[in-house]
Amino acid sequence: AQTVTQSQPEMSVQEAETVTLSCTYDTSENNYYLFWYKQPPSRQMILVIRQEAYKQQNATENRFSVNFQKAAKSFSLKISDSQLGDTAMYFCARGQGGSEKLVFGKGTKLTVNP
Amino acid sequence: KAGVTQTPRYLIKTRGQQVTLSCSPISGHRSVSWYQQTPGQGLQFLFEYFSETQRNKGNFPGRFSGRQFSNSRSEMNVSTLELGDSALYLCASSPGWGATGELFFGEGSRLTVL
Repeated sequence: AQTVTQSQPEMSVQEAETVTLSCTYDTSENNYYLFWYKQPPSRQMILVIRQEAYKQQNATENRFSVNFQKAAKSFSLKISDSQLGDTAMYFCARGQGGSEKLVFGKGTKLTVNP
Repeated sequence: KAGVTQTPRYLIKTRGQQVTLSCSPISGHRSVSWYQQTPGQGLQFLFEYFSETQRNKGNFPGRFSGRQFSNSRSEMNVSTLELGDSALYLCASSPGWGATGELFFGEGSRLTVL
């Protein structure tokens, strides 16, 4: 099975600090995409960041950046200057060209402490 | 622009009953996909629709079915409910299909089977 693995079920960080969430994936495809989604408590899931596998440059979105290691099939998310509003479940997901289907990891529950 | 709307938000059913969940995508979005979210299994893909056609189906029994209407609204149906069907059912929409861009999620329909 082509899976997505998040090895950290829970993490916590102090406000204003930096935290890195890990994700590894498995795929035999060349044309695929990687995502981090955020699901705040009792709120809908929203996209944090997206990376096309064919792009070598790591994606960044304001305080959020990824470390994409294609050969190692690793896709970690770094959150800089953590804010209380970053408290949420974070899901790593893989998609592939020609479909909207995503394969999700089990998630990492991140708590930002004041 | 209104987001993805799912109805009902909460519902309680008993074993053996059936349930229909509805999803209205963002205006102009033509692709709709469904996911089941449980604490044990995480997020699992159910099916995806584009232009009223099912494009992909996840590994779920035939009791799970869906359809998409000409206005892109989608419904999913679960017949002969089992206790294990208790879950949050998420609908997501996107403008096209196969581009593997951002999915826009609804808040979900929380189903409890007693």
